Amino acid sequence: DIQMTQSPSSMSASLGDRVTITCRASQDIGNYLSWFQQKPGKSPRRMIYGATNLAAGVPSRFSGSRSGSDYSLTISSLESEDMAIYYCLQSIQYPYTFGAGTKLELK
Amino acid sequence: EVQLVETGGGLVQPGKSLKLTCATSGFTFSNAWMHWVRQSPEKQLEWVAQIKAKSNNYATYYAESVKGRFTISRDDSKSSVYLQMNSLKEEDTAIYYCTWKGFDYWGQGVMVTVSS
Repeated sequence: DIQMTQSPSSMSASLGDRVTITCRASQDIGNYLSWFQQKPGKSPRRMIYGATNLAAGVPSRFSGSRSGSDYSLTISSLESEDMAIYYCLQSIQYPYTFGAGTKLELK
Repeated sequence: EVQLVETGGGLVQPGKSLKLTCATSGFTFSNAWMHWVRQSPEKQLEWVAQIKAKSNNYATYYAESVKGRFTISRDDSKSSVYLQMNSLKEEDTAIYYCTWKGFDYWGQGVMVTVSS
């Protein structure tokens, strides 16, 4: 199975900060990488697909990038509504696998 | 408007069975590839199963942790996808979500608790 190593597991940041979350894939997954946001009591919401494509309705302060086997989700200027848990997912090979999640909190 | 509504969850004893239903509307279900994803009480997301469309011979795929115990199926006439869960274990306790379109659309989830 492809392992998705996500870091950090949690972080605190201030409003307006630039925040980056990373997932490292244990095998080549090309651009078959999505990012999800989940708020308490809600279903996950897809934010990024194809490693760099913004999903419909997602604010432009969110972006995705790739460097080799490292995939990053960046929030350019943190807003209060961004406090959530973020997960990555690889969908190139079965079984699809999620990262362990990053809990983003307000400092 | 796309809707996915999961039902069928509840409390069940280890070794017993449960069948989840995901009723959908707002899109052409017969062409859709559907997934089940679950989330443990520790908040870990796990992909569970996928079923493709008739044009793909209804191909199915499973996580190793559920292979041989869970069966995903669909009824295109009812725009519904199902997850038959047999030989349930305590570690199957989770919120179960159905999802569509590359995980772009999710249901609200249904809780399954396996406990004696």
